Amino acid sequence: QSALTQPRSVSGSPGQSVTISCTGTSSDVGVYNYVSWYQQHPGKAPKLMIYDVNKRPSGVPDRFSGSKSRNTASLTISGLQPEDEADYYCCSYADNYVIFGGGTNLTVL
Amino acid sequence: QVQLQESGPGLVKPSETLSLTCTVSDGSISSYYWSWIRQPPGKGLEWIGYVYYSGSTNYNPSLKSRVTTSIDTSRNQFSLKLSSVTATDTAVYYCAGGDYAEYFQHWGQGSLVTVSS
Repeated sequence: QSALTQPRSVSGSPGQSVTISCTGTSSDVGVYNYVSWYQQHPGKAPKLMIYDVNKRPSGVPDRFSGSKSRNTASLTISGLQPEDEADYYCCSYADNYVIFGGGTNLTVL
Repeated sequence: QVQLQESGPGLVKPSETLSLTCTVSDGSISSYYWSWIRQPPGKGLEWIGYVYYSGSTNYNPSLKSRVTTSIDTSRNQFSLKLSSVTATDTAVYYCAGGDYAEYFQHWGQGSLVTVSS
């Protein structure tokens, strides 16, 4: 099984919106609504930001939103803030196992 | 808030077995799916597998032949064993927990394990 495909890097200015894509296949993202997104700052453990495609855990700002179309899931961050600069990983359930994306580095200019 | 703490050797010799334990702080060991996830230096995340409080397990197909996970509810701990390690198994190993097996709400701080002679 191959990792889900994410862009290596994205960037945006404070206040802008950015979208990170996560492309899988009809065996994972395309068939299960079990996509999650994680934020990871350098040297820290990942933090769950989105689960079940578009649900936010308590405490996650509503600037973070998730969606899915066919085999591609997306994470949108609106009103970018400096503290959003981090690596972001998507994750999907896939026929009895779990697969991550390769990660996207977000730079807030 | 659930707190997780990994423990185990930071250095393992090639061909030996890597062993890690995760201690769950608040007695919620019977509430979640407990997973192991690793991250090689400078690289992305890789799911290793999970154990449920009932003892049921599931593993990444690419690691399945070398992985064993177990749980001790009386000690609020779950464990990982990865056999026949090589340098490519060098990584930060995280323990994590979630309501369901497919996402991870609670994370340990991570434990760096280096495979080297």
